[in-house]
Amino acid sequence: GAVVSQHPSRVICKSGTSVKIECRSLDFQATTMFWYRQFPKQSLMLMATSNEGSKATYEQGVEKDKFLINHASLTLSTLTVTSAHPEDSSFYICSAGAFYEQYFGPGTRLTVT
Amino acid sequence: TQLLEQSPQFLSIQEGENLTVYCNSSSVFSSLQWYRQEPGEGPVLLVTVVTGGEVKKLKRLTFQFGDARKDSSLHITAAQPGDTGLYLCAGASDFGNEKLTFGTGTRLTIIP
Repeated sequence: GAVVSQHPSRVICKSGTSVKIECRSLDFQATTMFWYRQFPKQSLMLMATSNEGSKATYEQGVEKDKFLINHASLTLSTLTVTSAHPEDSSFYICSAGAFYEQYFGPGTRLTVT
Repeated sequence: TQLLEQSPQFLSIQEGENLTVYCNSSSVFSSLQWYRQEPGEGPVLLVTVVTGGEVKKLKRLTFQFGDARKDSSLHITAAQPGDTGLYLCAGASDFGNEKLTFGTGTRLTIIP
């Protein structure tokens, strides 16, 4: 099946710094990738749709200037959390689609101290 | 806004018992996926259903898509501890549109 990787798997950063998370589709090309956020014991919340070669589409309530998304190639999308604060601590998951199915990365646990 | 409600939200049963998880919406979906997620990991795709009334079986798991493509169910026979996890349904509104709406989730615990 399709494989999606994320890096790093865990990151701890200080308040005010920026953190970049990478999402790669390893064995297929994805013109569209998705970024989700998941709070403990809750379902996934879609943050934005990452489009290769164009601007990302953000869901309502998600600050585009805080969560910067870049989809530079057909296999790589990055999410940068800028000026991170403790409330940004969460589990961030990306996915890449093949028609109407999506394959998820293993997630990145971000802790902001 | 499309919403997918799952029930029950939590379920804890003994090994060997059967169970059903429901995923309901007032919206029509072109396809619906079921995922299982374990703590600290990403969701893993279990099945995709696309035709109203479709039934798919995956070993002890049976998935059904409602005739009107607004709801789905997951039935597990003879549950095992390895079935423990968070089960998520997710619907796509249009064919070719990969954007998914996720259900509220069902946390299943199988007691040995």
